[in-house]
Amino acid sequence: AQSVTQLDSQVPVFEEAPVELRCNYSSSVSVYLFWYVQYPNQGLQLLLKYLSGSTLVKGINGFEAEFNKSQTSFHLRKPSVHISDTAEYFCAVSDQTGANNLFFGTGTRLTVIP
Amino acid sequence: DTGVSQDPRHKITKRGQNVTFRCDPISEHNRLYWYRQTLGQGPEFLTYFQNEAQLEKSRLLSDRFSAERPKGSFSTLEIQRTEQGDSAMYLCASSSGLAGEETQYFGPGTRLLVL
Repeated sequence: AQSVTQLDSQVPVFEEAPVELRCNYSSSVSVYLFWYVQYPNQGLQLLLKYLSGSTLVKGINGFEAEFNKSQTSFHLRKPSVHISDTAEYFCAVSDQTGANNLFFGTGTRLTVIP
Repeated sequence: DTGVSQDPRHKITKRGQNVTFRCDPISEHNRLYWYRQTLGQGPEFLTYFQNEAQLEKSRLLSDRFSAERPKGSFSTLEIQRTEQGDSAMYLCASSSGLAGEETQYFGPGTRLLVL
């Protein structure tokens, strides 16, 4: 079985400052890794995903994430945040055995302060 | 691209009543998923379909929950004899492509409140 831990439930950060949202996972099999964003009153939207290859993955809106297999982590980063980045961010995994469902973390609420 | 749509967006019902939610996936997507999201939690997988076949339903929360996708297009999720603990956001997602790797596209959700 898989599990995802997002230790930070809330992250306040000033506009134009860098941010890192942490994600750690646990799995007995190899996984694919995803970050989704949920803006207020909107559906979940994919930011980026790691399937294989380069461990640094670039996504939309200037976000990137780095897969670290030894630390079982997939932290999300952005060098300079904007007010519009205020949202809930979810890390998720799916396993590589053919099961399709995503296992989500509990989410991190990013609040960008003007 | 019309995206994934869900209907209704909000539902208030009394305990013991049955409710049914509809999901219309992106037209060319063959996989359809249902998730539940409670306050302060991430989405929790319930069930999924590949075309009209329901390939995973062991995570449906109880036998009061059932889902169908009769023609491989839209899907319905029914909750019978609702309980206050069923209050949550119910999310639908659809996808196509290689299993596990594909991007799931989510609808806006149906928020259920059981009084």
